[in-house]
Amino acid sequence: QSALSQPPSASGSPGQSVTISCTGTSSDVGGYNYVSWYQQHPGKAPKLMIYDVSKRPSGVPDRFSGSKSGNTASLTVSGLQADDEADYYCSSYAGSNNVVFGVGTKLTVL
Amino acid sequence: QGQLVESGGGAVQPGRSLRLSCAASGFRFSNYGMHWVRQAPGKGLEWLAVIWYDGSNKYYADAVKGRFTMSRDNSKNTLYLEMNSLRVEDTAVYYCARDWGWPRSSFDSWGRGTLVTVSS
Repeated sequence: QSALSQPPSASGSPGQSVTISCTGTSSDVGGYNYVSWYQQHPGKAPKLMIYDVSKRPSGVPDRFSGSKSGNTASLTVSGLQADDEADYYCSSYAGSNNVVFGVGTKLTVL
Repeated sequence: QGQLVESGGGAVQPGRSLRLSCAASGFRFSNYGMHWVRQAPGKGLEWLAVIWYDGSNKYYADAVKGRFTMSRDNSKNTLYLEMNSLRVEDTAVYYCARDWGWPRSSFDSWGRGTLVTVSS
């Protein structure tokens, strides 16, 4: 199972919006509405930000939103804040009781 | 969301074995499926395995199938990962994570991880 494709980096200024893509295939992202997004600060454990493509767990700001079109899912962070600077990973159910993660995107707040 | 604390990591030679533990607290451990996820130094996340809330089903990534075994003891609120025939490429921080609802691929609580270094 190949890792999902993500851009290595993304950036934006405080207050701006940035979108991170996550591209897979019809066997994973495109085949199921089971895409999640995680935020990971350096040296910390990942934190669930989005599940089921577009749902937010309790406590996650509504500045974070998710969507999907075909084999590509996207995470949009609006109103960028300094603390949003982190690595972001997508994940998807890949069928046959497997999960695949994306390669990760480093988000920089300029 | 409770707390998860991994232990058992360390330095080991290729071909040897190691057992990781993950102690859960603050939630009803026996109600939740659990996962192991690892992260090689400077690399991304890699899903390894899932175990059902009652231990009745376990599924593994191809990279560790046949070498790693996941188990749990609900009476001790503890999750385990038995790792055999370790390879240099198994060097990583190993996280346990709570399942949000298989097969969602959503993990809503994570431990801080334990580092496994495989080197001769």
